[in-house]
Amino acid sequence: SAVISQKPSRDICQRGTSLTIQCQVDSQVTMMFWYRQQPGQSLTLIATANQGSEATYESGFVIDKFPISRPNLTFSTLTVSNMSPEDSSIYLCSVVGGVDGYTFGSGTRLTVV
Amino acid sequence: KQEVTQIPAALSVPEGENLVLNCSFTDSAIYNLQWFRQDPGKGLTSLLLIQSSQREQTSGRLNASLDKSSGRSTLYIAASQPGDSATYLCAPNTGNQFYFGTGTSLTVIP
Repeated sequence: SAVISQKPSRDICQRGTSLTIQCQVDSQVTMMFWYRQQPGQSLTLIATANQGSEATYESGFVIDKFPISRPNLTFSTLTVSNMSPEDSSIYLCSVVGGVDGYTFGSGTRLTVV
Repeated sequence: KQEVTQIPAALSVPEGENLVLNCSFTDSAIYNLQWFRQDPGKGLTSLLLIQSSQREQTSGRLNASLDKSSGRSTLYIAASQPGDSATYLCAPNTGNQFYFGTGTSLTVIP
């Protein structure tokens, strides 16, 4: 199955600033997915990132707040913009890992103060 | 929209006990269902993937069953160990999107 390297693993940020999270996959994949997991909650899909096209955002998530880049088939970034304490969550990227199903990155634990 | 419910929300068992985690989902038109494990503050580790045509999958001490028509899946853990302590998430896949339950938080007491 695919192996994903996600970084940073955690960060503490000041409100009003932005953080960019990176995911690098060891194989080429068509779609990459970005999820948010708020404290005590389950995972919620933010957007699907296809190489060469705009990301598709789920209801409640907008590009201005969560811009996504997908410059090639092995890499994607998610930026959390103009952060507030409500953005404190774990952010995860995911890809389809072939016969093993979906594979997730190790997550980025974000705390906004 | 798919709704996923996992019962119980939390479970504490003594080491060596066999246990069953339950997952139900409202939309039975799924392609597959995946069980994940999540350690505190970490990402997800895939445990088992069951295709919609399958009834069960086994990996070591883990056995997952799927009853697609009734919208249910169970994860059976045999001879539980303290290292099994984690949150377990089930995720039915309807096309290219997973829907996650809130998980079962398992604590195995030595």
